Amino acid sequence: AQSVTQPDIHITVSEGASLELRCNYSYGATPYLFWYVQSPGQGLQLLLKYFSGDTLVQGIKGFEAEFKRSQSSFNLRKPSVHWSDAAEYFCAVGPGGTSYGKLTFGQGTILTVHP
Amino acid sequence: EAQVTQNPRYLITVTGKKLTVTCSQNMNHEYMSWYRQDPGLGLRQIYYSMNVEVTDKGDVPEGYKVSRKEKRNFPLILESPSPNQTSLYFCASSLIPLAGVTDTQYFGPGTRLTVL
Repeated sequence: AQSVTQPDIHITVSEGASLELRCNYSYGATPYLFWYVQSPGQGLQLLLKYFSGDTLVQGIKGFEAEFKRSQSSFNLRKPSVHWSDAAEYFCAVGPGGTSYGKLTFGQGTILTVHP
Repeated sequence: EAQVTQNPRYLITVTGKKLTVTCSQNMNHEYMSWYRQDPGLGLRQIYYSMNVEVTDKGDVPEGYKVSRKEKRNFPLILESPSPNQTSLYFCASSLIPLAGVTDTQYFGPGTRLTVL
């Protein structure tokens, strides 16, 4: 069965600092990976996704993620964090194939940004 | 504007009183899904639908029902709500992807349900 682990429940960074949120997945075949962001009181917004091809994926709001098959990881990065990035971030894996659209989410990482 | 809408956004009810949370999308998506979000557990899938009259269980279907009579609507029904169904619920939709490729899901704004 597929699974996703986000090892960090809560991360605090200073505005302007770099950010890396960790995501490890378990899936038997080529995974389809996503990062979503949820601002307080809001729904989920897609930041970026990886299906195939270049393992470094660019997303919205200056985020990027790198797929590393050997480490079963899909970490999210941003070189300089803004106060508006404070939110909860979810990594998700989808299998494709006959399980269309069935996403498994990680537990989420809450990001706090200090001024 | 392409969107997924849910109603109501907030609901407080009592144990055993049947309720329905509506979900509607205007993107002509075949696939729709319901998730619940609980602290520390992320999002867990309740039910999903591949198309009209086609529904299937997700990871946590107990205590819920769904129906898909029209392509745009996918209501979530709690026949006899219990306090452990207090949660934040999200509806999502997407196109049915081509073989082997899952597609991006678009999420509604969420419905916060409290069962007393």
